[in-house]
Amino acid sequence: DSGVTQTPKHLITATGQRVTLRCSPRSGDLSVYWYQQSLDQGLQFLIHYYNGEERAKGNILERFSAQQFPDLHSELNLSSLELGDSALYFCASSVFTGGFYEQYFGPGTRLTVT
Amino acid sequence: QQPVQSPQAVILREGEDAVINCSSSKALYSVHWYRQKHGEAPVFLMILLKGGEQKGHEKISASFNEKKQQSSLYLTASQLSYSGTYFCGTVARDHSGNTPLVFGKGTRLSVIA
Repeated sequence: DSGVTQTPKHLITATGQRVTLRCSPRSGDLSVYWYQQSLDQGLQFLIHYYNGEERAKGNILERFSAQQFPDLHSELNLSSLELGDSALYFCASSVFTGGFYEQYFGPGTRLTVT
Repeated sequence: QQPVQSPQAVILREGEDAVINCSSSKALYSVHWYRQKHGEAPVFLMILLKGGEQKGHEKISASFNEKKQQSSLYLTASQLSYSGTYFCGTVARDHSGNTPLVFGKGTRLSVIA
């Protein structure tokens, strides 16, 4: 157990709908990263928040948005869903240890768009 | 720039050794290795830093060749539990602190009895 929590575990929804994925980082970690992993694909970085502020954006579609709240939990909003958005969505939080940042991943949310 | 991992897949018998490589075209600050079982979260294995420092796992070792910007993960005397997909994630040398990792496409390792 990494200490990072994500809800829900599974989500099944129809095309065109909107969903919200939630992530709580490890206690004390200020950073949250979101990644998308499609079937048999690697981890694609979507967005990074640090202490409530957006720090970096990766391959995140305009239909997707995220935010980090004062209690440091983060939400990833996916709208106008398409079949191709079906994937595992992971969040990770990081801790600075001995000169580098270790990222710890949550269990993921499996999104199925039908 | 996404790092390149090789091989894409490997099948081992229990007790055999394997090496997984991760190469980058960019100068690297650190290389992070993760193992992911199917449908589960990636699990941190090891970090290698420019300068040779490493923090890692008890039965898995790794190296970082700064000249080639390549890291290699060594799995010795493999066990069934080693099966999974191994990802390297890299941080470029010109990073600005707490930057996200850029992951390779992964190497699928299967250990059979």
